[in-house]
Amino acid sequence: RKEVEQDPGPFNVPEGATVAFNCTYSNSASQSFFWYRQDCRKEPKLLMSVYSSGNEDGRFTAQLNRASQYISLLIRDSKLSDSATYLCVVNWATNKLIFGTGTLLAVQP
Amino acid sequence: EAGVTQFPSHSVIEKGQTVTLRCDPISGHDNLYWYRRVMGKEIKFLLHFVKESKQDESGMPNNRFLAERTGGTYSTLKVQPAELEDSGVYFCASSPGLAGSYEQYFGPGTRLTVT
Repeated sequence: RKEVEQDPGPFNVPEGATVAFNCTYSNSASQSFFWYRQDCRKEPKLLMSVYSSGNEDGRFTAQLNRASQYISLLIRDSKLSDSATYLCVVNWATNKLIFGTGTLLAVQP
Repeated sequence: EAGVTQFPSHSVIEKGQTVTLRCDPISGHDNLYWYRRVMGKEIKFLLHFVKESKQDESGMPNNRFLAERTGGTYSTLKVQPAELEDSGVYFCASSPGLAGSYEQYFGPGTRLTVT
């Protein structure tokens, strides 16, 4: 079983749609959780950290369920510029980031 | 503030040759990490420096890979001799030395092709 699992997609959605990505992780000792965004042939860029209480940044909302070892990202009112790969990332105690394979989002005009 | 920089952006070498990748972290960041993405796979951790010390090198694939961070500033990752399976994108990341701060900031990567 992979340490971080994501649906690879692609998710093809129209502009303005709401889209949700899910991710599960295997190590219950994981301490920190993130969503990174990666554009084609670019580096991963931190989108947001994910906290147990859930957190929101504009159109983006992240949730963490430690009991189920599940992380989600919700994007509302999708824009063309949201098209990218979204990486679910988990951090163990040693600062080592564990990446999922990413979920590809394509927002259509 | 300048971000993480990496050099070169691309490198094409023949099997058996040596390549050295360089990473300059964000100024003042004590933590420096190397990661690699091979085609079709997820990004994987290679190693972690705290200042000039190797904190965790559990992800280094074998002894053909040597990472250094003399003086605790920039870091180099040398592959010698390179094999075909070493092809991929090598990312460097850095983070501050603050307790509880685990957010890492990535450089643009070096795309290595071994032929």
